[in-house]
Amino acid sequence: QVTLRESGPVLVKPTETLTLTCTVSGFSLSNARMGVTWIRQPPGKALEWLAYIFSNDEKSYSTSLKSRLTISKDTSKSQVVLTVTNMDPADTATYYCARFGVYCSAGSCSPASSGMDSWGQGTLVTVSS
Amino acid sequence: SYDLTQPPSVSVSPGQTASITCSGDKLGEKYVCWYQQKPGQSPVMVIYQDSKRPSGIPERFAGSNSGNTATLTISGTQAMDEADYYCQAWDISTGVFGTGTKVTVL
Repeated sequence: QVTLRESGPVLVKPTETLTLTCTVSGFSLSNARMGVTWIRQPPGKALEWLAYIFSNDEKSYSTSLKSRLTISKDTSKSQVVLTVTNMDPADTATYYCARFGVYCSAGSCSPASSGMDSWGQGTLVTVSS
Repeated sequence: SYDLTQPPSVSVSPGQTASITCSGDKLGEKYVCWYQQKPGQSPVMVIYQDSKRPSGIPERFAGSNSGNTATLTISGTQAMDEADYYCQAWDISTGVFGTGTKVTVL
């Protein structure tokens, strides 16, 4: 059974750095056919894609947030970590991690067409002084 | 940046068909997924690779994608289908979600 669980602070102050952890089970972060991605959703608003990481450590970031995001993983701990710097009240949101398929050919990998098939329950982060 | 546009809301009577569109430049050249999100819950994938249903998703959910528009169709809509629906695609290595559509079953 595949599960993902987000953890991190419930409340952060403006200008602080947010660190969120996604702990996975039921699959390995060394699986070349799987990746982990982060998505957020402000209250009452749409989903927003943030970043992903592949098993080979290849990463990609949202163009609009690239300067503030860092994604990394610890395969031995089955954890993917997302940091967001310089937090602002506009960053108040539920943050989700999800598993998605990866397609690799001739040494190059890209997100597969199989979608984000497993999601965590999400963690609400509020930015307020 | 690449944008995906959906109608804010769609209303449907029980047993009827609901169609939700997702528009983007040359979207037909990309694969589209659809996610259902009920209040207070995490999203659930209902369609991947334009038209494939994951295990456990009812047959009344169907998808298509051509030109600049992808469509999610719910046939024989049930009260339990009332939710927000999001389309999603990859623009090379960047993920993009649609603006979301609230489906109301009247």
